[in-house]
Amino acid sequence: DAKTTQPNSMESNEEEPVHLPCNHSTISGTDYIHWYRQLPSQGPEYVIHGLTSNVNNRMASLAIAEDRKSSTLILHRATLRDAAVYYCIAYGGATNKLIFGTGTLLAVQP
Amino acid sequence: EAGVAQSPRYKIIEKRQSVAFWCNPISGHATLYWYQQILGQGPKLLIQFQNNGVVDDSQLPKDRFSAERLKGVDSTLKIQPAKLEDSAVYLCASSLDLRNTGELFFGEGSRLTVL
Repeated sequence: DAKTTQPNSMESNEEEPVHLPCNHSTISGTDYIHWYRQLPSQGPEYVIHGLTSNVNNRMASLAIAEDRKSSTLILHRATLRDAAVYYCIAYGGATNKLIFGTGTLLAVQP
Repeated sequence: EAGVAQSPRYKIIEKRQSVAFWCNPISGHATLYWYQQILGQGPKLLIQFQNNGVVDDSQLPKDRFSAERLKGVDSTLKIQPAKLEDSAVYLCASSLDLRNTGELFFGEGSRLTVL
């Protein structure tokens, strides 16, 4: 399974955009890039996923580098409820296993 | 749509005792997962079921942990005997099938404290 590297923590101000980076230099061509987040005292929650193209949904946008060795999760306007641990996962089609790292703890300041 | 249900939410036991956790996945979801999340760490996959068969249990400490998914729906995870290091949140998740694109739905978890 491809390893991902994320900063341990980041801070943002409310209503500002947040860019959460992730490096996955060993990703294979068939691995999807998934993002989950975990709010305090809750189970992880799916945010978004992509393969090669940038993706948008109601929660966030995912920008994938052309060489696929890195990606960025974009929250367009952070709210206090976005404070959570964000996990970037290289999801291998061969293993069908979601392997979580330690993620990025996002703090949102009012 | 009802989410993944887990019980109990909290359990406190002494070491060497046994405990069981129950999970009811989203209706129609063929794949079920149990994760262990120790404080400050990301979730660690313990076992993965496809219907009632085990797909992967390579990270399950089989000397003390067991899991089953009878009839391919509900699942139970048992620990016997428990150790102090088993203190963690046990998360159950489900997805439509193995060939999905990785969207898992998680329950709220069962928090275990071993004294």
